[in-house]
Amino acid sequence: GESVGLHLPTLSVQEGDNSIINCAYSNSASDYFIWYKQESGKGPQFIIDIRSNMDKRQGQRVTVLLNKTVKHLSLQIAATQPGDSAVYFCAENSQGGSEKLVFGKGTKLTVNP
Amino acid sequence: DARVTQTPRHKVTEMGQEVTMRCQPILGHNTVFWYRQTMMQGLELLAYFRNRAPLDDSGMPKDRFSAEMPDATLATLKIQPSEPRDSAVYFCASGLGQKTGRGNTEAFFGQGTRLTVV
Repeated sequence: GESVGLHLPTLSVQEGDNSIINCAYSNSASDYFIWYKQESGKGPQFIIDIRSNMDKRQGQRVTVLLNKTVKHLSLQIAATQPGDSAVYFCAENSQGGSEKLVFGKGTKLTVNP
Repeated sequence: DARVTQTPRHKVTEMGQEVTMRCQPILGHNTVFWYRQTMMQGLELLAYFRNRAPLDDSGMPKDRFSAEMPDATLATLKIQPSEPRDSAVYFCASGLGQKTGRGNTEAFFGQGTRLTVV
């Protein structure tokens, strides 16, 4: 499979455990954030998003937390499954700025059965 | 189902040759992005278009790379001449930008073109 980055942060968890993936973003003007999942050989796939007027958003088995004070995002995956194994990216976007969608370096999640 | 389609999926070419990668965005999407993914740099934004007009191509080496949208259903990324350091996976993504009134939304990615320049 394809790995992204020679120094990609990694997280290894047991099946059924909860996973927390962290991301520090750089632009204080960013007002929209997305978590993507990338499986080997595929393009990034949208998981969940959050706008800066919120600090928490929940989806199916996933929760995103946003702390604008310290410019930090986290993705929580409940009851992690082997199919969750992938590289996870956070992306930031500034609606009032250039509107670029800028990606972080990614975290590789491995779920052990 | 609606998806971003990229062709070719794989391309091996010799240094100095021209390479053209194509992308069909999701119908109705007004924003198209080109990204390059490498092990060392991760996902880098090369260029993006809104309503077919280039908004930002500052991430793209201008001397050899060019990006265009001949029409709303086709985006192209061309490298001429190609070099070994261009070897990477190139992703196209499309989405709905803020001009739709909904604010920015997620970008949907294609499967990518894996380019190898030898």
